[in-house]
Amino acid sequence: DAKTTQPPSMDCAEGRAANLPCNHSTISGNEYVYWYRQIHSQGPQYIIHGLKNNETNEMASLIITEDRKSSTLILPHATLRDTAVYYCIVAVAGYNFNKFYFGSGTKLNVKP
Amino acid sequence: KAGVTQTPRYLIKTRGQQVTLSCSPISGHRSVSWYQQTPGQGLQFLFEYFSETQRNKGNFPGRFSGRQFSNSRSEMNVSTLELGDSALYLCASSFGTDYNEQFFGPGTRLTVL
Repeated sequence: DAKTTQPPSMDCAEGRAANLPCNHSTISGNEYVYWYRQIHSQGPQYIIHGLKNNETNEMASLIITEDRKSSTLILPHATLRDTAVYYCIVAVAGYNFNKFYFGSGTKLNVKP
Repeated sequence: KAGVTQTPRYLIKTRGQQVTLSCSPISGHRSVSWYQQTPGQGLQFLFEYFSETQRNKGNFPGRFSGRQFSNSRSEMNVSTLELGDSALYLCASSFGTDYNEQFFGPGTRLTVL
């Protein structure tokens, strides 16, 4: 079962930052937070992951609260092509690492 | 480098038949995971193979099975198809060790009539 809670949908104006929240209040110490997105029935695409420190790559930033019970994915300048379903996943380290539980995700609508 | 490929991309079967789907991972990846995606249940984990061994398994009936070959290519099989098996079947490959991202293929769209 998914161990994350996300809002079902969000709107964002093109060019503005999109901030997608995720609640993972039961996260364990050895679980990472991963973000993937899926654009209209294509395969999900990796965005970013982190353990407890904030992370940034060319696509996005990941902010994890100090207690690790929630996180926020930030797309700094959303474009129309960022319209997708965004999934927040917690994945345990070790041999179960690839056993992802996807929740319902957040449908991000980027509007012109 | 080439991405994850899945064949066939589309498939139509009738109830009671069986089907085999194929997944070729990214070169060098030893882990292949399979997922089922339906509008009602979302993305659900089926199983993962690593070095020809099933390493993880989701909560699906025994009609769903898989295998992995020495070149890391993987197949999944669904026997005695039911209408509810209509779904997008996705495979994902990774190096299989901690902290590695999974790369997903485009999926196989299975329709059971």
